[in-house]
Amino acid sequence: DIQMTQSPSSLSASVGDRVTITCRASQSISNYLNWYQQKPGKAPKLLIYVASSLQSGVPSRFSGSGSGTDFTLTIGSLQPEDFATYYCQQSYMTPQTFGQGTTVEIK
Amino acid sequence: QVQLQQSGPGLVKPSQTLSLTCVISGDSVSSNSVVWSWIRQSPSRGLEWLGRTYYRSKWYNDYAVSVKSRITINPDTSKNQFSLHLNSVTPEDTAVYYCARVLNPYTSSSRFDPWGQGTLVTVSS
Repeated sequence: DIQMTQSPSSLSASVGDRVTITCRASQSISNYLNWYQQKPGKAPKLLIYVASSLQSGVPSRFSGSGSGTDFTLTIGSLQPEDFATYYCQQSYMTPQTFGQGTTVEIK
Repeated sequence: QVQLQQSGPGLVKPSQTLSLTCVISGDSVSSNSVVWSWIRQSPSRGLEWLGRTYYRSKWYNDYAVSVKSRITINPDTSKNQFSLHLNSVTPEDTAVYYCARVLNPYTSSSRFDPWGQGTLVTVSS
């Protein structure tokens, strides 16, 4: 299975901050990489697919980049509703696997 | 707008079978361009893909190695839904279970969207 490793596991940030989350795959996955946001008690919600494509309805402050093994999710200016846990997921190979998550907390 | 609505018991006894259903609205379980999956989430295992069903002139299923001997995913075309059955459960199967649609499977833009609301299933006597 392809292992997905996110860093950091958690971070504290303030409203208005620029936040960057990293995801590394254990082997090259080209751009077969998705990002999800999950709030407590809710299902994950798709933010970014194919590494950098913004899902319809997702604010433009979210962006994704990367290819191969290293990927980044950036929140350009953190808003109160962005405090949540973020997961990367590879769709390159079955089984599709997820990172362990990065929790963005209020500073 | 596609929506997935899950149902099923929240408490299952050890050694019994966990059964959940996911009702699809706005799409068809028989669509030949998507895949229907089950995923679970627990503190110890994180988000774990369990398996999928899909129709491509006939029905196919794929399952995660970790549960392959215990899992069945069945489509029900008459009710436009699909179900998860996991037998011989133990407390390690305690998790929140999600159904999800896979868009553009087998391409670089393959992704899980949308997800069901989730069902917390506790395995306990």
